[in-house]
Amino acid sequence: DVKVTQSSRYLVKRTGEKVFLECVQDMDHENMFWYRQDPGLGLRLIYFSYDVKMKEKGDIPEGYSVSREKKERFSLILESASTNQTSMYLCASMGLLTYEQYFGPGTRLTVT
Amino acid sequence: KQEVTQIPAALSVPEGENLVLNCSFTDSAIYNLQWFRQDPGKGLTSLLLIQSSQREQTSGRLNASLDKSSGRSTLYIAASQPGDSATYLCAVSRNNDMRFGAGTRLTVKP
Repeated sequence: DVKVTQSSRYLVKRTGEKVFLECVQDMDHENMFWYRQDPGLGLRLIYFSYDVKMKEKGDIPEGYSVSREKKERFSLILESASTNQTSMYLCASMGLLTYEQYFGPGTRLTVT
Repeated sequence: KQEVTQIPAALSVPEGENLVLNCSFTDSAIYNLQWFRQDPGKGLTSLLLIQSSQREQTSGRLNASLDKSSGRSTLYIAASQPGDSATYLCAVSRNNDMRFGAGTRLTVKP
């Protein structure tokens, strides 16, 4: 079974802090994704990566950056957290055989 | 730009009833369609994946169909149970671009 893990289930940070969200997958998938999910707005893609050190902007990349130094790990970075980044953050991975996405349990981030 | 719509937004049924959730998409040039289940405060769990060349997939009490030409998919749940209560999302993908519907919130009453 594919397993996607995220470093924290709940996180509370203060405005202006630098925040790191970590995601690890164990299926040697090439592609990894970061989404945020908000009531009424659904899932929106922040960034995705199709290979180590490769990244592409999604629909809402502003205020975020990402890092993929190893194939199994994809990090989302909030350079200076703001209250409008309070959200549920979901990581996913996808192999190129079936293009099926597998999601982690999510991180509920609150910025105060 | 691909748009995915799910109807209804919410559905409440008594236990034991068979039900159908609907998903429609505007661009038929998709690679696959995936149905997910999401429990409150949790991540998405993949239920069924239908490749663009397939018409349906089944897993236990779940059956998903795909009609690419009309831009529609349905998720059929047989003999619903209270444990089926969750939000169900469909998503269509083309290469690395996956688009999600807003979901149908299902409540199955004992």
